[in-house]
Amino acid sequence: DTAVSQTPKYLVTQMGNDKSIKCEQNLGHDTMYWYKQDSKKFLKIMFSYNNKELIINETVPNRFSPKSPDKAHLNLHINSLELGDSAVYFCASSQDPAFSYNEQFFGPGTRLTVL
Amino acid sequence: RKEVEQDPGPFNVPEGATVAFNCTYSNSASQSFFWYRQDCRKEPKLLMSVYSSGNEDGRFTAQLNRASQYISLLIRDSKLSDSATYLCVVTHNAGNMLTFGGGTRLMVKP
Repeated sequence: DTAVSQTPKYLVTQMGNDKSIKCEQNLGHDTMYWYKQDSKKFLKIMFSYNNKELIINETVPNRFSPKSPDKAHLNLHINSLELGDSAVYFCASSQDPAFSYNEQFFGPGTRLTVL
Repeated sequence: RKEVEQDPGPFNVPEGATVAFNCTYSNSASQSFFWYRQDCRKEPKLLMSVYSSGNEDGRFTAQLNRASQYISLLIRDSKLSDSATYLCVVTHNAGNMLTFGGGTRLMVKP
């Protein structure tokens, strides 16, 4: 049973296109996240979201938007894709964010290539 | 300056060796500290949390020095399966968002 799943695993697309990556967690967690890992393997937070609050990393372009149809899903929409968006995108989830030592569980990642 | 700094390595060690990784963080308001492990082309997974008093989990020992803003990880009796990238991670703000270091690559050789 996969705890945090993402689809698709690989995504190859042209510049200027709009695409979405889906994420689902079956852990009953309250908070979900999106991270980006660039070609230099640097992992960076993009969004933190629960049913009360969306926190956005100020460096994320507004072409990126998270959408949550329900507590178990947090999808990532990207408009007008650019070459620099090529990276691996990881979804994660955790229990109550008020407890700072909560473990975050990561999905397997989506490797996005923009041509 | 990056918020969390690590030596990228690689550290090449023989099986059975003891190896130590260090990490420094710049935000004195950092609240919680972790070591995550990432295998090649896989997702990060929590290795251990790091508490102020220091903590041990089997062959792994983590230390935190808040005054120096420094975190360490010691691996004893290295196994081939320990080969991975070790990520130093801190949180310091609302939303429990993780701030990652660039990772230290470890390669354990037979």
